[in-house]
Amino acid sequence: SQTIHQWPATLVQPVGSPLSLECTVEGTSNPNLYWYRQAAGRGLQLLFYSVGIGQISSEVPQNLSASRPQDRQFILSSKKLLLSDSGFYLCAWSQRLWGEKLFFGSGTQLSVL
Amino acid sequence: GENVEQHPSTLSVQEGDSAVIKCTYSDSASNYFPWYKQELGKRPQLIIDIRSNVGEKKDQRIAVTLNKTAKHFSLHITETQPEDSAVYFCAANNNDMRFGAGTRLTVKP
Repeated sequence: SQTIHQWPATLVQPVGSPLSLECTVEGTSNPNLYWYRQAAGRGLQLLFYSVGIGQISSEVPQNLSASRPQDRQFILSSKKLLLSDSGFYLCAWSQRLWGEKLFFGSGTQLSVL
Repeated sequence: GENVEQHPSTLSVQEGDSAVIKCTYSDSASNYFPWYKQELGKRPQLIIDIRSNVGEKKDQRIAVTLNKTAKHFSLHITETQPEDSAVYFCAANNNDMRFGAGTRLTVKP
């Protein structure tokens, strides 16, 4: 069966520090991968999605970036965090791009102080 | 692009009562409408979904209805239980998945 791993679970970072969140999927090949952000009490905002290695689509201009160095690995990064980057970050995967069920990772609670 | 609106933002019901959450969408080409349940600090999990060629789908105490003409769909939970307490998200999909802002459901024992 397929599983999705996301880490770390919680992260407290100072403003201006870098960020690296990692997500891996097991049990499937060529998954479509997504990064979502959920601000406190808000909905899910799509940040990036990827249909394959090295292919990244960005939804919202911001100081975050994403990379997909391997088929089942998706990384969310920032060179310098802002206070507004605080939130709950969720990685997700689906077998087909859109039109299909999304399976979410367990999330990373990021607090930028 | 697609815009999904969800109401109400909070909903409190007594155990055993029914709960209804409503969503509207803007893109008439959207063809897939999932509902996710997110317990506090946990990942969203799919609880039911419906495709545009179906008007209603039911799974035990949960049902979803879709009105394509009016571009709205609803989640119905009957005989609510305290463990139904969570945040529920609707979504509409046409080449991308757009989520509603969520409804915090509280079921009082």
